[in-house]
Amino acid sequence: ETGVTQSPTHLIKTRGQQVTLRCSSQSGHNTVSWYQQALGQGPQFIFQYYREEENGRGNFPPRFSGLQFPNYSSELNVNALELDDSALYLCASSLSLNSLQETQYFGPGTRLLVL
Amino acid sequence: AQTVTQSQPEMSVQEAETVTLSCTYDTSESDYYLFWYKQPPSRQMILVIRQEAYKQQNATENRFSVNFQKAAKSFSLKISDSQLGDAAMYFCAYRETSGSRLTFGEGTQLTVNP
Repeated sequence: ETGVTQSPTHLIKTRGQQVTLRCSSQSGHNTVSWYQQALGQGPQFIFQYYREEENGRGNFPPRFSGLQFPNYSSELNVNALELDDSALYLCASSLSLNSLQETQYFGPGTRLLVL
Repeated sequence: AQTVTQSQPEMSVQEAETVTLSCTYDTSESDYYLFWYKQPPSRQMILVIRQEAYKQQNATENRFSVNFQKAAKSFSLKISDSQLGDAAMYFCAYRETSGSRLTFGEGTQLTVNP
C-alpha cells in the first residue's frame, strides 16, 4: 500500500509569483484535504476535494485554488504569492467523507518559502 | 466555530516515566471526533489515537491513552513508559461527524530526556 506523497519537498518563490503543489493520495482514497501550517502553529484547513469536487473550504482567499484528478491525486495552486504564504503545506487523504472510523493519512508536506 | 486549545506549549518527561498532555475544545455539537496527532521533525503527521464523543470509554492504544471528559470538553493524552522516539510535537484535533475537516490546536512540544 502506497502512502500519501507530496512534491516538491521544498520550494522557494518570490512575492507575486504562482506556485503549484502536488499530492498523490493513498491507494483507494477518494478524499483529499489541504492544510497550511505556519511555523510554530497548528495546521489550518484550506479546502477539501471529494471525487473531483470541492467539498468545504476554510478561511482562505480565492487565490488559493485546487484540483482533484480522476485518479484522486490533487493540486494546490496559489496565485500572487505573499510573504505570509510561507508555510508547510500538508495534504491528507481519506477513504470517504463521513465514515465513523475515518482516518486522515498525511503526507510529509511541502515547505514553501516566499521571499 | 469550533476551537481547540492546548495550554502547554512545551512539556518534558524522563524516559520510562509518564506524561499527560492537555487539550480543551469548544463546540456546540453533541457528536464529534477527537484526535491526537504526532509530528516528529520529519514533519509527517501521524495519528496517535482517536475518540468518538458518543463513546464513554476512553480510547487506548498501547502506551497511549486518553482521558475524555465530555462535559468539561477536555481531552488529555497520557503517554506511559515514555520512549526517546516519543519526542515530537503533539497536536490535538477536532472533527465534526459530517465532513473530514480537522481543527487543530497549537501543539505541545514534548521532549523526552534519557
